[in-house]
Amino acid sequence: QKEVEQNSGPLSVPEGAIASLNCTYSDRVSQSFFWYRQYSGKSPELIMSIYSNGDKEDGRFTAQLNKASQYVSLLIRDSQPSDSATYLCAARDSNYQLIWGAGTKLIIKP
Amino acid sequence: EAGVAQSPRYKIIEKRQSVAFWCNPISGHATLYWYQQILGQGPKLLIQFQNNGVVDDSQLPKDRFSAERLKGVDSTLKIQPAKLEDSAVYLCASSLDQTSGRVSSYNEQFFGPGTRLTVL
Repeated sequence: QKEVEQNSGPLSVPEGAIASLNCTYSDRVSQSFFWYRQYSGKSPELIMSIYSNGDKEDGRFTAQLNKASQYVSLLIRDSQPSDSATYLCAARDSNYQLIWGAGTKLIIKP
Repeated sequence: EAGVAQSPRYKIIEKRQSVAFWCNPISGHATLYWYQQILGQGPKLLIQFQNNGVVDDSQLPKDRFSAERLKGVDSTLKIQPAKLEDSAVYLCASSLDQTSGRVSSYNEQFFGPGTRLTVL
């Protein structure tokens, strides 16, 4: 059974701090990984994709991939109240489908 | 560039009734997905199309759900008859070409606004 696991949270972070979201995946063949943000009552919105080991930065967001440990993370610097949402991690499997985690609820406290 | 369009946004029906959802993907996207999302869970893939062919429908309850993408562009998902447990958000997504061997932005999926279905 291919799985993507995330801590459901909620993860509470003070405004201006770094929020760290983590995800592990079971399919060693996976090569593409995605982070989506989902506000309550809205659909998922792609915020980061990562394909190679290491870090990928985009504005306040940094995705980190460690294929040896089967671990993906998302760092949000200078967290804002507008970052409060559920963050979904997904891994593309060998059948070209996305395996989704259940999401981590992030709360940024002003 | 226009995003993924879905309609209706909300639907309330009685159990055993039928309902249909429509999706128009981003122009030029070959791969189209229908997902079901229940509160507190990640999206669950119901069916994946590549152009007008079905790539995977292994999790589609075929006794009551059907979907088509006849011309390889827009798609409809139908439920007939609906059950209480079908209450969920139905999401449509598209990507350039999910079956491409490339590990690239071709794999990125973009979602429509979703349809919230309530079955009473």
